[in-house]
Formats: sequence, C-alpha cells, structure tokens
Amino acid sequence: SAVISQKPSRDICQRGTSLTIQCQVDSQVTMMFWYRQQPGQSLTLIATANQGSEATYESGFVIDKFPISRPNLTFSTLTVSNMSPEDSSIYLCSVDKGSSTEAFFGQGTRLTVV
Amino acid sequence: SQQGEEDPQALSIQEGENATMNCSYKTSINNLQWYRQNSGRGLVHLILIRSNEREKHSGRLRVTLDTSKKSSSLLITASRAADTASYFCATDNTDKLIFGTGTRLQVFP
Repeated sequence: SAVISQKPSRDICQRGTSLTIQCQVDSQVTMMFWYRQQPGQSLTLIATANQGSEATYESGFVIDKFPISRPNLTFSTLTVSNMSPEDSSIYLCSVDKGSSTEAFFGQGTRLTVV
Repeated sequence: SQQGEEDPQALSIQEGENATMNCSYKTSINNLQWYRQNSGRGLVHLILIRSNEREKHSGRLRVTLDTSKKSSSLLITASRAADTASYFCATDNTDKLIFGTGTRLQVFP
C-alpha cells in the first residue's frame, strides 16, 4: 500500500494568482499522477510525473498552465497557474506500485477561484 | 474521449437492498478497477478484475467483466447507509487509469 499526504486540503484563491499543491508519498514510487475533478464530474488525468524527466501531459493540458515538479521518488508538486474561476476543481495526486495494480490517492485539494 | 460511461448516474435505495452499477468502456484493457469516493475526497480502491477474469467477489461486492461487450458491473449486496458515496470504474491499458463518469449512490436508512 501507499499513504499519500496532499496539501493544502483546500484553498480559495484570487483569479490571476497561482497555487502549488504538494504530494508526499510514504514510499518510493516510479510514477505519480495528477488528476482534476471538476464539480460533479469524474476524474480527468492531467499528467504523469516521472522522476528525472519532464512530465507527460494529456491532451488539453499544457505545462505552462500546470507545471509539475518531481524532484525525487516520494514527492511531486502541481502548480495551477494564472488561475481563473474555471480552474475551480478538486485536484488529486495518485500513485501505483506497478503496472496493472491498484492506485492510491491523496485526499485531494479543493480549489475555489474567485 | 476515451472515458468510460457508467449508469445509472444516480441511484437511491433503502438499506438492505442491493445496488447495481454498470460501466462500459471503449478500448482493450489489462484490467478494470472500481473505486469509491466519499464527498469529493480521495478515492479508495475497492476491487480489481483482470481482463481474463469474468467474476470476482470481495465481501459484499461482486464484480463481473464482459470483455466482448466491453462492460462491467458492480453489485453491492445488503447495502448500508455507510455505502453512500460515488463509485467509479477505471480501465487500465497503458499504465494509466481512465475513469468512468461515476454513479452517485444514496442509501437511506
């Protein structure tokens, strides 16, 4: 299993500002995943973060808007840049312990942009 | 979008009744997983069924998989008020999970 600490748990931010979300895992993992969950919707994968290389972004998401860091095998950050009200969502980080295994999730960051 | 579809979108039942949720997906898969989410919090893994399996049980959960129809179902038997949550299927075929649209389950005491 894996225990993930994600912070902040929630924040209210002004439009035009940026927020960095942190994700700390209690064990080393190869890949970390960042998801967005818009109100009442399902999870959409933003990007996959590998240690030592640039994150791989899904269609519709770009590095300038969602820069990701992965300095080591237990930690990652996601920044939501130049925020607008449309960025109001829950952001979740996730890891797995190998291909085709269950995923573990942080408790999420509930972001409201005003 | 490759996102799977789930139905129903919402389901309300009484305690003790069974709840069935269905998931359809579009691509070939390595496995299909079901997750639960309470009130917009993190997801909790419930059960994983591999593409060569047809049925799997875990406690009050029963999952079926039909790869020819690209569909799966999750059955929760003898539901409890504490089962109230959103349930998502997720398919895994390229080392990343693609989540379905989700079913919001409300169990009334």
